[in-house]
Amino acid sequence: EMQLLESGGGLVQPGGSLRLSCTASGFIFSSYGMSWVRQAPGRGLEWVSGVSATGGNTNYADSVRGRFTVSRDNSKNTLYLQMNTLRADDTAVYFCAKALYDFWGGRSPLEHWGQGTLVTVSS
Amino acid sequence: IQLTQSPSSLSASVGDRVTITCRASQGIRSYLAWYQQKPGKAPKLLIYATSTLQSGVPSRFTGSGSGTEFTLTISSLQPEDFATYSCQHFDSYPLTFGGGTKVEIK
Repeated sequence: EMQLLESGGGLVQPGGSLRLSCTASGFIFSSYGMSWVRQAPGRGLEWVSGVSATGGNTNYADSVRGRFTVSRDNSKNTLYLQMNTLRADDTAVYFCAKALYDFWGGRSPLEHWGQGTLVTVSS
Repeated sequence: IQLTQSPSSLSASVGDRVTITCRASQGIRSYLAWYQQKPGKAPKLLIYATSTLQSGVPSRFTGSGSGTEFTLTISSLQPEDFATYSCQHFDSYPLTFGGGTKVEIK
């Protein structure tokens, strides 16, 4: 059974940093692109970042480019999101999600999602 | 690429036929997916590549469209279908989602 488990969320002050992790099991992690998607309280889904299966290709939403960095460690079946210079409007539940397709570098529908981790940016 | 869903919410009864529209700001070929999300839960993939039903999804869900206009139809609404539905394109980066359509009980 595919499982994705996010961790690392919490309360952080504006301007601070946080690193999220997503541990995967039940599929060949190194064969699939992965994405981070967030959802602010009461709002819709926002794609944040994606990474190809090898980690060699990364992409970002305009709202986080230059502040967030996505990476993965295929030896640990783990996806990361390093978030710097956090702002109040980064407050959201952050989901990691597995690409449906094992091609196109992660540009794909998102087949399986974790339960999310809450990031709150507030002083 | 911006995705605009309509309506943003609707009220319907069990057994009703429901149609949700997703319009793209530019052509996205057939690279559109639909998700269902219930409160406090992660989204669930329903349909991808405009009309392909994800494994395990009931056949009352259908998707259609091409280019810039797409629809999700629920042929006969069931109690477990009351949820929020969102479209997502995967034509190019950055991927984006529509704003969501909340389907409520009338």
